[in-house]
Amino acid sequence: DTGVSQDPRHKITKRGQNVTFRCDPISEHNRLYWYRQTLGQGPEFLTYFQNEAQLEKSRLLSDRFSAERPKGSFSTLEIQRTEQGDSAMYLCASSLGLVERYTFGSGTRLTVV
Amino acid sequence: AQTVTQSQPEMSVQEAETVTLSCTYDTSESNYYLFWYKQPPSRQMILVIRQEAYKQQNATENRFSVNFQKAAKSFSLKISDSQLGDTAMYFCAFMRLDNAGKSTFGDGTTLTVKP
Repeated sequence: DTGVSQDPRHKITKRGQNVTFRCDPISEHNRLYWYRQTLGQGPEFLTYFQNEAQLEKSRLLSDRFSAERPKGSFSTLEIQRTEQGDSAMYLCASSLGLVERYTFGSGTRLTVV
Repeated sequence: AQTVTQSQPEMSVQEAETVTLSCTYDTSESNYYLFWYKQPPSRQMILVIRQEAYKQQNATENRFSVNFQKAAKSFSLKISDSQLGDTAMYFCAFMRLDNAGKSTFGDGTTLTVKP
């Protein structure tokens, strides 16, 4: 059990550029979640996968955001045409079932300049 | 929509003493989970304790225990014998049973344990 891995840990990008983050869940976990956490606030749900199917998306996930989980393994979160308001910590979590072993990664901190 | 409120942005406690962090939530659901998470400066969110709403008995994990008052929609965390390693941001979270694992978080309480 190597935990939930996220890459990169930090990303600085210029406004208007595209960025992609990767999350590797715990291997046997079938559920994967993306959250966004801005400074001084709790995480906010973005989207959820069960295996390879994206089953729910928050209204926070504008059309500039897209997430995939090919073959039900790792997941990517892409932000197109980044804006300064996208600056945040992007957290990935995975679980086996609804709450079993619900584990967060260390996050990717995005700074848009 | 569910909301989670943590009314104490910052708290401090002396090492070895006891501290209680407050959390209230708003829901019309009867079956749900409540959680307390710890987020140290290293950033990884770690589950501290979990409570199922259908269980009347308060959850306990070593030095951590909760006071779950379902009618009052209150879910406080008590940390006994506080240790320096308990210094972190603590988040209260709510999850509906039918909501596919999506959690709603409060804005956190920063706890500092002083030597």
